[in-house]
Amino acid sequence: QSALTQPPSASGSPGQSVTISCTGTSSDVGGYIYVSWYQQHPGKAPKLIIYEVSKRPSGVPDRFSGSKSGNTASLTVSGLQAEDEADYYCCSYAGSNTWVFGAGTKVTVL
Amino acid sequence: QVQLVESGGGVVQPGRSLRLSCAASGFTFSSYGMHWVRQTPGKGLEWVAVIRHDGSDKYYADSVKGRFTISRDSSKNTLYLEMNSLRAEDTAVFYCARWGQHNDMDVWGKGTTVTVSS
Repeated sequence: QSALTQPPSASGSPGQSVTISCTGTSSDVGGYIYVSWYQQHPGKAPKLIIYEVSKRPSGVPDRFSGSKSGNTASLTVSGLQAEDEADYYCCSYAGSNTWVFGAGTKVTVL
Repeated sequence: QVQLVESGGGVVQPGRSLRLSCAASGFTFSSYGMHWVRQTPGKGLEWVAVIRHDGSDKYYADSVKGRFTISRDSSKNTLYLEMNSLRAEDTAVFYCARWGQHNDMDVWGKGTTVTVSS
C-alpha cells in the first residue's frame, strides 16, 4: 500500500492549463478504471472532481479533465481560475477492497 | 441535503483508545458502504478502512490493521471507528466518506481531529 506519486506543486497563470500526474503500479492505477481525483481547499474537506479516470460528477466544470496511460493518471485543469488554487489528490482502487491516495499536489494560480 | 458529520476527536495519550462517530443524513445510509480516511498535519490523505453497506465485510489499511475497528449502526445512521493502542503517528484529521458507486468517495464529512500526545 505505497502512496501514489504526484508532483508536490504545479502552477499556471489565469487562463492557462496545468496538468498533474499520478503514478502508481499495475496493482492500482494500471490495473483498474477506478482512479478518482479530489480537490481540497485549505481547511476544507476533499471534494470529488473526477471518477473512473475521466468522468465528472454533476456540477464539476468541464475545465477539469482526466486521463490515464499505463500506470500513470493525469488531471488537467484548463482555463485556470483563481478558485482552482487548491490541493489535488489522486486515488486509485488497489484491489481486495483497499484504496491508495497520492501525496497531493498544490496548484498555485500565479 | 446529503451530509456526513464526524465527532469524537480529541487529545489522547499514546496507548489509549478513542471512538469516532460519523452521523449520516440526506440519503439511505443502509444502502451505502462507508470509508474512513485520515490526513496527517500538513500531509496527504491516507485511506484507513471501509465497511460494506450491510456491515458484512470490513477492510483496513496495513497501518491500522489489528488496532482499529470500523463498524456501523444503520438504525442510528451512524458509522464508527474504534481506535485502540493509539500512537503519535495516528495524529490526524479523520474524515468519513461515502463509498460511491464508481469505487470513489463521493461525499465527505468535514472531519474530526485526533491528537495523540502525552
